[in-house]
Amino acid sequence: EPEVTQTPSHQVTQMGQEVILRCVPISNHLYFYWYRQILGQKVEFLVSFYNNEISEKSEIFDDQFSVERPDGSNFTLKIRSTKLEDSAMYFCASSPSVPTSYTEQFFGPGTRLTVL
Amino acid sequence: KNQVEQSPQSLIILEGKNCTLQCNYTVSPFSNLRWYKQDTGRGPVSLTIMTFSENTKSNGRYTATLDADTKQSSLHITASQLSDSASYICVVSGRNQGGKLIFGQGTELSVKP
Repeated sequence: EPEVTQTPSHQVTQMGQEVILRCVPISNHLYFYWYRQILGQKVEFLVSFYNNEISEKSEIFDDQFSVERPDGSNFTLKIRSTKLEDSAMYFCASSPSVPTSYTEQFFGPGTRLTVL
Repeated sequence: KNQVEQSPQSLIILEGKNCTLQCNYTVSPFSNLRWYKQDTGRGPVSLTIMTFSENTKSNGRYTATLDADTKQSSLHITASQLSDSASYICVVSGRNQGGKLIFGQGTELSVKP
C-alpha cells in the first residue's frame, strides 16, 4: 500500500543552523502539508501546498520556514536559523485532491528534530 | 478561537472491554470531524471522517458519533484489544481552510491484559 515517507527519522542540529526535512508524498497526490508536534503537545498545522504554491499557512509558519517541491516526488520543509523551540516531531501529509469534506490526509512517520 | 478539547486525557481498560472517548469543538464554520489513531512515534492514521449531516460512522470496532448542534463527538471502541493501545485524536476541519486540520490533545488509551 502506498505511503508517505520522510527522511531523516531523527535530525540533531545546533541552534542557528539550517535544516531541510524531506518528504516523499504518495504518488499522484496533489495536496501536501506539514504539521509539527512539540513533545507532549497537540499536533499543529504549519502549511498546505498545492500547485507549487502555499495554499494556507499558520501563524507559526513565519519567514524562518519555507517549503518547496524541487522535483516531481519530493516535498521539503526548510527551517533557517533553528531555535531551541523548533525541537519537535515534524509530520508531512498528502491528500489525493483539493480538500473537501471527505478528503483523507495521509501522514508520514515523522522526523524528530532536536535543536541543541 | 477554533479549538478541539478531548476527555479523558488518559484511560486504562482491560482487554475485551468497551470504552468511549469524548470530543468538544468550537471550530466554525465547520466542515468535518475526524478521529485519528496515533501509535507512539508514528504518524496519525485516519479512523473515521464525518460531515455535519452524519450522526454516526463505523469502521470495524470503532464507532464515531457527531452532534453538530452541540458540537460534540464521541469514539466508541468495542471489544478492545491490546493493539488498541494508542493516542486517539479528535481532529476538526473548518470550511475553506485549505485542508488545515485542528487537532485535539488526544486521549491516551492503554489496554491491559
